Amino acid sequence: AAGVIQSPRHLIKEKRETATLKCYPIPRHDTVYWYQQGPGQDPQFLISFYEKMQSDKGSIPDRFSAQQFSDYHSELNMSSLELGDSALYFCASSLNRGPYNEQFFGPGTRLTVL
Amino acid sequence: ILNVEQSPQSLHVQEGDSTNFTCSFPSSNFYALHWYRWETAKSPEALFVMTLNGDEKKKGRISATLNTKEGYSYLYIKGSQPEDSATYLCAFVGTGANNLFFGTGTRLTVIP
Repeated sequence: AAGVIQSPRHLIKEKRETATLKCYPIPRHDTVYWYQQGPGQDPQFLISFYEKMQSDKGSIPDRFSAQQFSDYHSELNMSSLELGDSALYFCASSLNRGPYNEQFFGPGTRLTVL
Repeated sequence: ILNVEQSPQSLHVQEGDSTNFTCSFPSSNFYALHWYRWETAKSPEALFVMTLNGDEKKKGRISATLNTKEGYSYLYIKGSQPEDSATYLCAFVGTGANNLFFGTGTRLTVIP
């Protein structure tokens, strides 16, 4: 069965650079969630999209932006990268938004900021 | 900031032992509780979505219960096997939200 695809899997950037993370949800899933997991921390919700519109917003820094495209894939754009942005970034997708809907997670993108 | 706590933080059991661990969450504004199993180098895998007080769900040797009035959920593993070794995460969803607030996880190691 198709799963959530994230690219790239690993990314190394310098401070103050920009990065773009991509997420391709499971086919027919219309909701995408982004989570950030720092070293030794539990995953923190950043932002979600439903039917190409922003649905919920969590602890996403102003330096980050995201969008969901017509094919339902999503991109997380990160600018002015800081050392503290080094983390594992997970994307999850679900069929319809809603608290009861199972979220299927991608393998994550590990971002390292030097 | 929501406080979703799991205990114990880590657990070592012998193969064949049964075990359980706890997820505590705010009892007010409860909407749903998710349990995930997360093996190293893999994506979190959904186990259960629990919504009603008194819910009990089972998948093979793994089961979970939910008490929304007192704000806790238990995850049970019967006859632990080495392949059960993983981090078990619970995630709370509050009223009016759709995103998950994760707990700190319980790292289970099953010793053959």
